[in-house]
Amino acid sequence: DGGITQSPKYLFRKEGQNVTLSCEQNLNHDAMYWYRQDPGQGLRLIYYSQIVNDFQKGDIAEGYSVSREKKESFPLTVTSAQKNPTAFYLCASSSPPRQGNTEAFFGQGTRLTVV
Amino acid sequence: AQKITQTQPGMFVQEKEAVTLDCTYDTSDQSYGLFWYKQPSSGEMIFLIYQGSYDEQNATEGRYSLNFQKARKSANLVISASQLGDSAMYFCAMREGGAGGTSYGKLTFGQGTILTVHP
Repeated sequence: DGGITQSPKYLFRKEGQNVTLSCEQNLNHDAMYWYRQDPGQGLRLIYYSQIVNDFQKGDIAEGYSVSREKKESFPLTVTSAQKNPTAFYLCASSSPPRQGNTEAFFGQGTRLTVV
Repeated sequence: AQKITQTQPGMFVQEKEAVTLDCTYDTSDQSYGLFWYKQPSSGEMIFLIYQGSYDEQNATEGRYSLNFQKARKSANLVISASQLGDSAMYFCAMREGGAGGTSYGKLTFGQGTILTVHP
């Protein structure tokens, strides 16, 4: 079945550590996105990528980094520079607008907690 | 400035009644897309309905319809015949396109509205 897989589902990080969240899709989508969601809040865009080897900062990119070496994969690294990383992280992908309905498909999310 | 505004933090509706969730947006692009998603307590994001900026008809998907008023920049979601399973957080989102609508652009979300359906 096609879809987006995020791993791990739960992640615990110590202060000062970098951690990487995985996002893989087999939908053949060009665009991929990372969002952060705090309790009771909306989704805020961290980074997005429209094509392999290219990505753009979203609204809250500070303290995060990404790579897009393969079409299927868009890992997010939460660095020690991110002061308040405890949140729910959602990865999404979508197809080109010219192909009609272009809703973003989401993974199940990764819940990151700093301990 | 907020790109997507959802002014209702919470809404209550009686089972089997209709409810409207408000969404206004701000963009200078001519080509854009508007989306509504449902997020149950499990955290997954469920796509509900899509409206393109050039679509002349309001989008409908089963019990969901989108009241698109382009001049007012509003894209309200109407849920008819509410069910207990509709209780969830609802998000309005916008994808801003580039020239000709071929660019993916950013996909930004509103703050969400928590809908509670009472029996």
